[in-house]
Amino acid sequence: DTGVSQNPRHKITKRGQNVTFRCDPISEHNRLYWYRQTLGQGPEFLTYFQNEAQLEKSRLLSDRFSAERPKGSFSTLEIQRTEQGDSAMYLCASSLLAGQAETQYFGPGTRLLVL
Amino acid sequence: AQSVTQLGSHVSVSEGALVLLRCNYSSSVPPYLFWYVQYPNQGLQLLLKYTSAATLVKGINGFEAEFKKSETSFHLTKPSAHMSDAAEYFCAVRVLGNTGKLIFGQGTTLQVKP
Repeated sequence: DTGVSQNPRHKITKRGQNVTFRCDPISEHNRLYWYRQTLGQGPEFLTYFQNEAQLEKSRLLSDRFSAERPKGSFSTLEIQRTEQGDSAMYLCASSLLAGQAETQYFGPGTRLLVL
Repeated sequence: AQSVTQLGSHVSVSEGALVLLRCNYSSSVPPYLFWYVQYPNQGLQLLLKYTSAATLVKGINGFEAEFKKSETSFHLTKPSAHMSDAAEYFCAVRVLGNTGKLIFGQGTTLQVKP
């Protein structure tokens, strides 16, 4: 068990560029979540997958955002035409669906700065 | 709708003093509640969770929290603060239904003075 990993850890981009983040969950975890955290705030839910199926998307997830989880393993989050308001920490978490015992384990996050 | 409110965005204690971080929840049914800690530039680490098995929950690093239904509270405590406890702490509630998604409070920054 190596924990949840995210790459890159930091990303600086210019407004209008596309960026893609990757999340590798804990092995055999069937659920994967994406959250966004802005400075001084708690994380906010963006979307989640159960295996390869994307089951819910937040209203925060505009049409510039897309997430995938092919084959139910790693996941990618892409932001097209980035805006300065997209600057935030993007957190990934994974869990093993187990009723009330379900616990999300978070990765270190990808910090995005849009100039 | 479920929510959590953390009272006090900043808490400062002296090393060795009691730590008390406050969290109140809003839920129409018994909730599942969590406390996470976040160190600078890192992800969130689970401290403890309440899933209705016991009202007093013990977590890692000497932290514990007590679920009080009458007060709709889930405050986090530690008898004696260490310098290494300085971090940001988040209370979260799991949304009802099958999604498992969490709703987080605004966070409380804990400062520990020598």
